[in-house]
Amino acid sequence: RKEVEQDPGPFNVPEGATVAFNCTYSNSASQSFFWYRQDCRKEPKLLMSVYSSGNEDGRFTAQLNRASQYISLLIRDSKLSDSATYLCVVNRGGRRALTFGSGTRLQVQP
Amino acid sequence: SAVISQKPSRDICQRGTSLTIQCQVDSQVTMMFWYRQQPGQSLTLIATANQGSEATYESGFVIDKFPISRPNLTFSTLTVSNMSPEDSSIYLCSVQKRLAADTQYFGPGTRLTVL
Repeated sequence: RKEVEQDPGPFNVPEGATVAFNCTYSNSASQSFFWYRQDCRKEPKLLMSVYSSGNEDGRFTAQLNRASQYISLLIRDSKLSDSATYLCVVNRGGRRALTFGSGTRLQVQP
Repeated sequence: SAVISQKPSRDICQRGTSLTIQCQVDSQVTMMFWYRQQPGQSLTLIATANQGSEATYESGFVIDKFPISRPNLTFSTLTVSNMSPEDSSIYLCSVQKRLAADTQYFGPGTRLTVL
């Protein structure tokens, strides 16, 4: 079983749609959680950290359920510029290195 | 955040040769890491670059194949030794500024093709 599992997609949605991505992780000792965004042929860039209380940044909302070891990302009012691969990322339970999911590809269509 | 540069940005190399990739940060950082991203795949951690001591390698990666240096708090190198076509990949360095913060920032990557 992979340490971090994501649906690879692709998710094809029209502009303005709401889309949700889910992710599960296997290491119950993981302490930090993130969503990164990676555009084609570019490096990953931090989108947002994920907290137990949930957090929101504009059109983006992230949720963490520690009991279920589940992380989600909700994007409202999708824009064409949101098209990218979204990587679910967790730390290694006390270690500093990160474990990446395989990514979920989003394509927002006009 | 941090401004991270990598050199070279890309290279095409012959089988059996070695390539050293440099990672430079614009400010002192606590942690530096090297990742690999093979075509169509996500990122896999190669090693943690430790300043003043040997790097900490992940399972499946060894020092003889991927020697790493970190002479100071702003610079690290990764060497891909005795290359084969299977080493064709994007190699990325990442940094974490402080121990208390888990956020990592990535360099632009080095795209390596081995013929």
